[in-house]
Amino acid sequence: QVQLVQSGAEVKKPGASVRVSCRTSGYMFINYEINWVRQATGQGLEWLGWMNPDSGKTGYSQQFQGRITMTSDNTKTTAYMELRNLTSADTAVYYCARSSGFLGWFDPWGQGTLVTVSS
Amino acid sequence: QSVLTQPPSVSGTPGQRVTISCSGSSSNIGSNYIYWYQQLPGTAPKLLIFRNNRRPSGVPDRFSASKSDSSTSLAISGLRPEDEADYYCATWDDSLSRVLFGGGTKLTVL
Repeated sequence: QVQLVQSGAEVKKPGASVRVSCRTSGYMFINYEINWVRQATGQGLEWLGWMNPDSGKTGYSQQFQGRITMTSDNTKTTAYMELRNLTSADTAVYYCARSSGFLGWFDPWGQGTLVTVSS
Repeated sequence: QSVLTQPPSVSGTPGQRVTISCSGSSSNIGSNYIYWYQQLPGTAPKLLIFRNNRRPSGVPDRFSASKSDSSTSLAISGLRPEDEADYYCATWDDSLSRVLFGGGTKLTVL
């Protein structure tokens, strides 16, 4: 079955960077986009952007432009999301999710990675 | 404040029918497909409805959705205790060039 398995929890200091991985299996990796969505504790969902593993094309929410990079290693069928210049406002659970052509259609999701930013 | 507006909470008793609304504008709901997600406590969201009103395999037909102009609604009939969760609407916004999520609605089964 299709699975997205994310890397473990991270604790970072303000100003640092974090890279979260999303290892996929059960489908043709290059045929689907990977999106990233985050959720602060007790809050709603916030979309960060998408990447196409086949073309390398990306689309980022303007809010994160300049400090986010989404990449993939197709040999490992793994996607990565790097967020730089972290602040406490970036403390959240980060999810990867597969999509196919239609932005907003996310299925399935990874289990989530908690990123805590604290001095 | 979310661009897509959902009620913070709804409640119902087992067997009842409840609806969750999601309102937006012509640049999002009015011109793009709608998706609904269910998030059970402590878990990742799960796709419940795609392309306005279609259910993925495995989602019971107790869940349905409709769309009209710039708003959409999720209906859950024959309410069950395991339906207690947070529900989110989502769509693309042509003006903002990003995916929007509603603020989420917490469903309580009394």
